[in-house]
Amino acid sequence: DTGVSQNPRHKITKRGQNVTFRCDPISEHNRLYWYRQTLGQGPEFLTYFQNEAQLEKSRLLSDRFSAERPKGSFSTLEIQRTEQGDSAMYLCASSRTNGTGQTYNEQFFGPGTRLTVL
Amino acid sequence: AQSVTQLDSQVPVFEEAPVELRCNYSSSVSVYLFWYVQYPNQGLQLLLKYLSGSTLVKGINGFEAEFNKSQTSFHLRKPSVHISDTAEYFCAVTLGGSSASKIIFGSGTRLSIRP
Repeated sequence: DTGVSQNPRHKITKRGQNVTFRCDPISEHNRLYWYRQTLGQGPEFLTYFQNEAQLEKSRLLSDRFSAERPKGSFSTLEIQRTEQGDSAMYLCASSRTNGTGQTYNEQFFGPGTRLTVL
Repeated sequence: AQSVTQLDSQVPVFEEAPVELRCNYSSSVSVYLFWYVQYPNQGLQLLLKYLSGSTLVKGINGFEAEFNKSQTSFHLRKPSVHISDTAEYFCAVTLGGSSASKIIFGSGTRLSIRP
């Protein structure tokens, strides 16, 4: 199965530590999205890339958050100086664009990385 | 900006009973609409989508939804539920056409099936 994969699946850290998550999209998908889901809520958009370019960032993405997709394949999401409010499930999704916009290309979601900040 | 409201946070139903999960959206431009399902400890799976055309959309696992533009609604229905339908359901929206990118999700409806 070559779906979207995320690592690690779980991360427990102490407040103030830095953490980094990785997302491997479906092969040949040029778009990659990051979402955050807190308990009892729907996912919230954080940012997305088309190839290596970061095209949009949400206001939720504070200065402590940084995302990269250096070669247009996998992506990393880093959180510096973690806070308890950062505890959430971080979801990655990927899709491909066909350039014409005539058809919608589904976003496929990974299993997520659950972050717990103590 | 687009937004999605799911009117019920929890819906308990008996097995084999019909169910409707309600969703209203807000947008000043054309949008695509979706329902996603999230089983415990799993990622999101697309149930169905409305892009254009027929307002009645059929999805996987016997679910269907009806797009109502005048009421800005996209309610999800199933005529007879099973225990395996126990999950969290999210209504979602994205910009239509070539502008489609980020997805805006509702807060979710937890469907619990009683035997």
